[in-house]
Amino acid sequence: GENVEQHPSTLSVQEGDSAVIKCTYSDSASNYFPWYKQELGKGPQLIIDIRSNVGEKKDQRIAVTLNKTAKHFSLHITETQPEDSAVYFCAASRGTSYDKVIFGPGTSLSVIP
Amino acid sequence: KAGVTQTPRYLIKTRGQQVTLSCSPISGHRSVSWYQQTPGQGLQFLFEYFSETQRNKGNFPGRFSGRQFSNSRSEMNVSTLELGDSALYLCASSLTGINSPLHFGNGTRLTVT
Repeated sequence: GENVEQHPSTLSVQEGDSAVIKCTYSDSASNYFPWYKQELGKGPQLIIDIRSNVGEKKDQRIAVTLNKTAKHFSLHITETQPEDSAVYFCAASRGTSYDKVIFGPGTSLSVIP
Repeated sequence: KAGVTQTPRYLIKTRGQQVTLSCSPISGHRSVSWYQQTPGQGLQFLFEYFSETQRNKGNFPGRFSGRQFSNSRSEMNVSTLELGDSALYLCASSLTGINSPLHFGNGTRLTVT
């Protein structure tokens, strides 16, 4: 069945450094790729998303890149801050009305002050 | 705008019982989807409702069911609870469906003893 792999499972960086999280999806029909941030005790929150007709999208310190041929997409966080510490989930869906969303297993990011 | 509200926040039930969880979406959102989050299986899609109709379903047994009311509020029911049903249950609302940005509630933590 459809699957989304995510690496690394844990990531520790110094404040101010960059962090990169990578995801690979199996369903070639997927065309919507969101990233969610989940803080302790809260539900996931969308931080950025990309559709398959776009190769890269940036929002301040956060960017996402998509390689449709290789079926992988990545989250890039620059100038990390302690408040970036959280669990990050990637996801993939087909972008049709009748489908389901598949989440990656998550990456626990720790930003060390 | 008020966010997604889930009630109750915590529930403790005994094996064999049934439970009903409630979700109030963001005003104007017609899609409500439900997810199970566990340390072992991660975030898994249960089902989605749009305008009172179940539009898609994940790979969960029939003990998991839901419904959506005309005001878009949704309920999820789990019958004949098993120990493995212990999890954080999240609902999310969106304007058009699961292939668009999801707005999650903070979840209901269900413990089955």
